[in-house]
Amino acid sequence: AQTVTQSQPEMSVQEAETVTLSCTYDTSESDYYLFWYKQPPSRQMILVIRQEAYKQQNATENRFSVNFQKAAKSFSLKISDSQLGDAAMYFCAYGNDYKLSFGAGTTVTVRA
Amino acid sequence: GAGVSQSPSNKVTEKGKDVELRCDPISGHTALYWYRQSLGQGLEFLIYFQGNSAPDKSGLPSDRFSAERTGGSVSTLTIQRTQQEDSAVYLCASSAAPSGSETQYFGPGTRLLVL
Repeated sequence: AQTVTQSQPEMSVQEAETVTLSCTYDTSESDYYLFWYKQPPSRQMILVIRQEAYKQQNATENRFSVNFQKAAKSFSLKISDSQLGDAAMYFCAYGNDYKLSFGAGTTVTVRA
Repeated sequence: GAGVSQSPSNKVTEKGKDVELRCDPISGHTALYWYRQSLGQGLEFLIYFQGNSAPDKSGLPSDRFSAERTGGSVSTLTIQRTQQEDSAVYLCASSAAPSGSETQYFGPGTRLLVL
């Protein structure tokens, strides 16, 4: 089974500043997919960004970008210009067949 | 169309009772997944459906847990003789196909509390 590790249980960021969430994973596969999901207090898991392992270019979605280091098996998420609405729990997930393996999550608080 | 829906939103039950949790996937999605999220934890895979069949039930924690899917659409997760350790949020997700490349879309979950 794949292991996904998020080493930061909590992160705090000032509004309009940048925060980076770390994620590492363990796999022997060469082709797989990585995801960041956001879970606000409403419990609804929302896809933030996804990365295909065969692509070298880092994925970007508006204020969200990733730093994908395949050799290091690292997949960090950068949130730029943080907004109050970004406050949530963020989960890193690994998928290569049908099911996703999730990390334990990082709670992000945004200070006004 | 609408997203993934789940019912009930919250369920409180007494230890030993049976509960049924329902999931309505996105229309046309052939793959459906159940996950469990314990308090402050990540998601734990329970079971996956491709159409009406469940090729992978490996995540079900005990034989008290079962799930079915009918008509390639609605799925029901049943927990028999509930225990306090079953208390968690149960999340359902669906995707267009059972592939790691397909994005899984999640419902809002059912929070189960076993007293």
